[in-house]
Amino acid sequence: DIQMSQSPSSLSASVGDRVTITCRASQSISTYLNWYQQKPGKAPKLLIYAASTLQSGVPSRFSGSGSGTDFTLTISSLQPEDFATYYCQQSFSIPPLTFGGGTKVEIK
Amino acid sequence: EVQLVESGGGLVKPGESLRLSCAVSGFTFSSYSMTWVRQAPGKGLEWVSSISSSHYIYYADSVKGRFTISRDNAKHSLYLQMSSLRAEDTAVYYCVRDEGANTVTTGIFDYWGQGTLVTVSS
Repeated sequence: DIQMSQSPSSLSASVGDRVTITCRASQSISTYLNWYQQKPGKAPKLLIYAASTLQSGVPSRFSGSGSGTDFTLTISSLQPEDFATYYCQQSFSIPPLTFGGGTKVEIK
Repeated sequence: EVQLVESGGGLVKPGESLRLSCAVSGFTFSSYSMTWVRQAPGKGLEWVSSISSSHYIYYADSVKGRFTISRDNAKHSLYLQMSSLRAEDTAVYYCVRDEGANTVTTGIFDYWGQGTLVTVSS
């Protein structure tokens, strides 16, 4: 199975900050990497798929990069509505499809 | 508008069974792979099972042999039959659409239901 790890597990940031979250796969997954945002009590929302393609309707301050085993999600200027938990997920190999442990972005 | 509405969650005892349903609307259900993802209280996301438009089925090892995924295209519905439930199955279960139409499961989840809570406790 492909294991996904995220760092950090949590971070504190201020509105306007540039935020970067890292995701690492236990083996190469090319660009089969997706990012989701989850707010408390809500279902996850797809932000980015195929490592760098922005899902329709997602603000351009979100961007993704990487290939192989190392990936990043960047929020260029953090907005109040961006405080949430972010998950990466590999779609290279099924079964199983696997998620990272999540990164909680909190208000500083 | 795409909608996925789960139902069937509740409180059950260990060893009992439960059937989750997901009613969908707003898209051609028969053309899309569908998936169940769960989230234990305070924990991360865990993929449970997927069924493709052509009925290829996949399960996580943690539920294989106990859970059965199925779909009824005429009723625009996805199901998860859960048996021999354990405390560690306690979670919110999300019904999820795979973004790829008329293809294999892509594993990219573009629409999610609101979830239904399953609690397994004596």
